Amino acid sequence: GAVVSQHPSRVICKSGTSVKIECRSLDFQATTMFWYRQFPKQSLMLMATSNEGSKATYEQGVEKDKFLINHASLTLSTLTVTSAHPEDSSFYICSAGKERGDTEAFFGQGTRLTVV
Amino acid sequence: AQSVTQPDIHITVSEGASLELRCNYSYGATPYLFWYVQSPGQGLQLLLKYFSGDTLVQGIKGFEAEFKRSQSSFNLRKPSVHWSDAAEYFCAVGAQNYGQNFVFGPGTRLSVLP
Repeated sequence: GAVVSQHPSRVICKSGTSVKIECRSLDFQATTMFWYRQFPKQSLMLMATSNEGSKATYEQGVEKDKFLINHASLTLSTLTVTSAHPEDSSFYICSAGKERGDTEAFFGQGTRLTVV
Repeated sequence: AQSVTQPDIHITVSEGASLELRCNYSYGATPYLFWYVQSPGQGLQLLLKYFSGDTLVQGIKGFEAEFKRSQSSFNLRKPSVHWSDAAEYFCAVGAQNYGQNFVFGPGTRLSVLP
């Protein structure tokens, strides 16, 4: 199988602080991972494409300085929400594919971020 | 640009009844099409996918979907719904050249009456 794990599953942080979310491919190497954001009762919106060893590619309207993505290894990508505000509260999900060009992606279980 | 519509925001069916969730897409070429299910507070689970070949695709949990190019549709069906099927269902389209980057539909919430 292909398992993608996210950590933490839930996090509460204070306004102004930063929080890091990890996305790991447990049994395969992923040169590319994707980060999605899901607002309550809405669909998933792609935020950025995380590329191992290079800079992430952000979708239009996503602040790259606020949502820092680091893909330091073939099995780990991290999303850091910097100087978090209540409007950053959301459900964040990552996905990864086994091979470049592969059409199937495997999703993590998501992280519920609440900023108070 | 790709887009996906799911006309039904919320559907309620009785347990044992049949189910059809609608999905329409817009894409310039033959798309890669997916259906995912999401339980509350959980990630996404792949139900089925269509890349090419037989337009009727079988998935897990008794689900199937039919790709109709003329209607730009990829509707999800199940002949007999179980209470455990209550969840949010997302249709998604992937680009042919790099299909891991998905565009998701808005989702359809399924409620199941006992």
